[in-house]
Amino acid sequence: EAQVTQNPRYLITVTGKKLTVTCSQNMNHEYMSWYRQDPGLGLRQIYYSMNVEVTDKGDVPEGYKVSRKEKRNFPLILESPSPNQTSLYFCASSLLSSGTELNEQFFGPGTRLTVL
Amino acid sequence: QQPVQSPQAVILREGEDAVINCSSSKALYSVHWYRQKHGEAPVFLMILLKGGEQKGHEKISASFNEKKQQSSLYLTASQLSYSGTYFCGTGTTNSGYALNFGKGTSLLVTP
Repeated sequence: EAQVTQNPRYLITVTGKKLTVTCSQNMNHEYMSWYRQDPGLGLRQIYYSMNVEVTDKGDVPEGYKVSRKEKRNFPLILESPSPNQTSLYFCASSLLSSGTELNEQFFGPGTRLTVL
Repeated sequence: QQPVQSPQAVILREGEDAVINCSSSKALYSVHWYRQKHGEAPVFLMILLKGGEQKGHEKISASFNEKKQQSSLYLTASQLSYSGTYFCGTGTTNSGYALNFGKGTSLLVTP
């Protein structure tokens, strides 16, 4: 089954304790992206990647790191989480057409993170 | 900058029509529409590209006014299953791979 998986689905942690949220897709998509969703603010893009070893900042990259060493995986790293990073996080992937447009993005189920 | 969606919320009776608008202050290359049901991940509806190309579900209708940097999503003969939050995401001419999503429009369809 074609899908995007995220782990963990729920995480409660404390300020300053490094954590990684994994994201994996089995559709051979070039493009992957991380979003955070907060009430009243919609979806905000954190980082995106056009292919292996190619990443770029989205709207809200501060406090986050990513890496794209393999095409299928795009982990999100919070090296020193703070309470303002409490949020619902979505990973998404997409095929890329020629030119500069994205195609349909497939979203993972989400990771609900609470930083105390 | 996030695009501005309007209205913020709308309540419809089954069978009624609705229009959701998305407006940007920047020149747009693409507009992406997604629907999210409560507790679920966003699901793709449609992409509209500069120049008129559209990709998406046949039953969904949308428009893209490049000059005004606006897009509208048309929901006709609404069904209960249309309930959810609708998001537009905009890609600018400078960076087609980055997407800025609006804050969403909450749609509730009642029997």
